[in-house]
Amino acid sequence: QKEVEQNSGPLSVPEGAIASLNCTYSDRGSQSFFWYRQYSGKSPELIMSIYSNGDKEDGRFTAQLNKASQYVSLLIRDSQPSDSATYLCAVTPTTAGNMLTFGGGTRLMVKP
Amino acid sequence: GAVVSQHPSRVICKSGTSVKIECRSLDFQATTMFWYRQFPKQSLMLMATSNEGSKATYEQGVEKDKFLINHASLTLSTLTVTSAHPEDSSFYICSARGQNYEQYFGPGTRLTVT
Repeated sequence: QKEVEQNSGPLSVPEGAIASLNCTYSDRGSQSFFWYRQYSGKSPELIMSIYSNGDKEDGRFTAQLNKASQYVSLLIRDSQPSDSATYLCAVTPTTAGNMLTFGGGTRLMVKP
Repeated sequence: GAVVSQHPSRVICKSGTSVKIECRSLDFQATTMFWYRQFPKQSLMLMATSNEGSKATYEQGVEKDKFLINHASLTLSTLTVTSAHPEDSSFYICSARGQNYEQYFGPGTRLTVT
């Protein structure tokens, strides 16, 4: 079982719709959770961080964390074609010090 | 947000030569930096963790004598690919750790070994 799991996609949504990206993790002691966006041929860009249960909103992005279910999600409202990218979920594992454990990423396609 | 730069952005070298890649945190001090490699359509692969003033910690399967890492200051880490071969051609990305364990990535260096 992978430590951080994401559906590889592609997830296809029409422009203006809500895109929902999901991530599960295996380390129950994880404390910090991040979402990165990576465009093709580019490096990852940090878009959201969340540390406690519940929702955190930043513009069109909402991160949701449920530690009991070991589940973190990212909602993108009013999806735009420019949101088309691979979204990486990252988690700080309990025993790995400074490192982040990344999921394999979900490819999102927003169709005009 | 925090800014991390990498230089060069793209390099082509001949087989057997060495290539040095620089990673700088521009507006914050980074005691810990990371080096990743990414092949086309694949996930990020962590190569090593670089701590300022100490030896880097390499992931299993990464040759420390081939990928030399130096983190000489709080804003600079370098990766030297020694005796590069075509199979080392890849996208190398560094990141710097922030205060809450988030990582800020540099723009990456695309290495092509001919």
